[in-house]
Amino acid sequence: AQKITQTQPGMFVQEKEAVTLDCTYDTSDQSYGLFWYKQPSSGEMIFLIYQGSYDEQNATEGRYSLNFQKARKSANLVISASQLGDSAMYFCAMRRASGGSYIPTFGRGTSLIVHP
Amino acid sequence: NAGVTQTPKFRILKIGQSMTLQCTQDMNHNYMYWYRQDPGMGLKLIYYSVGAGITDKGEVPNGYNVSRSTTEDFPLRLELAAPSQTSVYFCASRETSGRGGEQFFGPGTRLTVL
Repeated sequence: AQKITQTQPGMFVQEKEAVTLDCTYDTSDQSYGLFWYKQPSSGEMIFLIYQGSYDEQNATEGRYSLNFQKARKSANLVISASQLGDSAMYFCAMRRASGGSYIPTFGRGTSLIVHP
Repeated sequence: NAGVTQTPKFRILKIGQSMTLQCTQDMNHNYMYWYRQDPGMGLKLIYYSVGAGITDKGEVPNGYNVSRSTTEDFPLRLELAAPSQTSVYFCASRETSGRGGEQFFGPGTRLTVL
């Protein structure tokens, strides 16, 4: 069974500082994908970044980077230069292939609060 | 291009009532998903579809039904609503091709069963 673990229920960071949100996963698949989504207080889910299991380089998207350590099965999200608008819930997710379909599994999320 | 739209935004049901949550996407995506999000939790997959006429159960399908007669629409049916179905429901779609397969989410439907 696939499982995503986010051990930090809440994180606080000062504006303009960097923050790391932890995500570990459990899978027996060789091919899988890892995602991070942001959910602001308004409720919508916003895609941030993707990492494929065979990607050799860590993914980056603007201020977001994914610290992928395959042997440790971790996929931590790093947000550089935090902004007040980064305050939100952040969800780590993994997709696996099942008979040609892609079944996603989500973690419970981490609440990030950015202080001015 | 509206993306993924969901109706209604809010709904209060009485125990035992039924309703259909509507989901429509205009991106010609084959894959569509229904999730529920309980307070303080992540998303749990209810049902998904890989194309018109093809649906399959996710992690928490009991009490729900779906159909997919067109590529655009993926309605979720609640029969005999129960308080345990109080949740926020998200519909999502994704492309078949593409390296990542990110999902595009609708704005959600907040359902309360009393």
